[in-house]
Amino acid sequence: EIVLTQSPATLSLSPGERATLSCRASQSLSRYLAWYQQKPGQAPRLLIYDASTRATGTPARFSGSGFGTDFTLTISSLEPEDFAVYYCQQRSDWPLTFGQGTRLDIK
Amino acid sequence: QVTLRESGPALVKPTQTLTLTCTFSGFSLNTGGMCVGWIRQPPGKALEWLALINWDDDKYYSRSLRARLTVSKDISKNQVVLTMTNMDPLDTATYYCARADYGHYWFDSWGQGLLVTVSS
Repeated sequence: EIVLTQSPATLSLSPGERATLSCRASQSLSRYLAWYQQKPGQAPRLLIYDASTRATGTPARFSGSGFGTDFTLTISSLEPEDFAVYYCQQRSDWPLTFGQGTRLDIK
Repeated sequence: QVTLRESGPALVKPTQTLTLTCTFSGFSLNTGGMCVGWIRQPPGKALEWLALINWDDDKYYSRSLRARLTVSKDISKNQVVLTMTNMDPLDTATYYCARADYGHYWFDSWGQGLLVTVSS
């Protein structure tokens, strides 16, 4: 099965800074990768799909890029509500898989 | 408005079978275009995809849990049911059901989750 490796495990930044999160796949996904945001006690929320398409309601400060095995989620200027855990998910092949997550903490 | 809600026991004993029900509204599984998946999350850990059922009754399962899982749907009740046999304390987790578009498999609507604890 396809393994997704997210880095870093934890990222500590301040509001207003730029965040760059990485997701690397064990084999090519084409563009079939999504990003989710999860806050404590809540279900995950779909942010980005097909590597770079923002889901309905996703603010423009969130952007996704990448193709093949290397993908990036960028938050251009962090807002207080952006501090959460972020997961990537692939749908290139069965079984569907998630990465282990990146925790974005307030510095 | 799309909603999903998980229901089932909060506590099960080791070796028992877990049955979870996802009751949804705002979309249909009896025509083309939609599917429902199950995802779980042990406390403090990452998401793990478990199973998915398409509108046409095609089913997909986690490779590691395939032997223990069964997913089915009841169109008349707008429900999807997941059963997991031989429960173990390591299966303690919050279990989510979520909707996805058929063929795309991005989970765009989620239930609130149900914490299931496995303990004697």
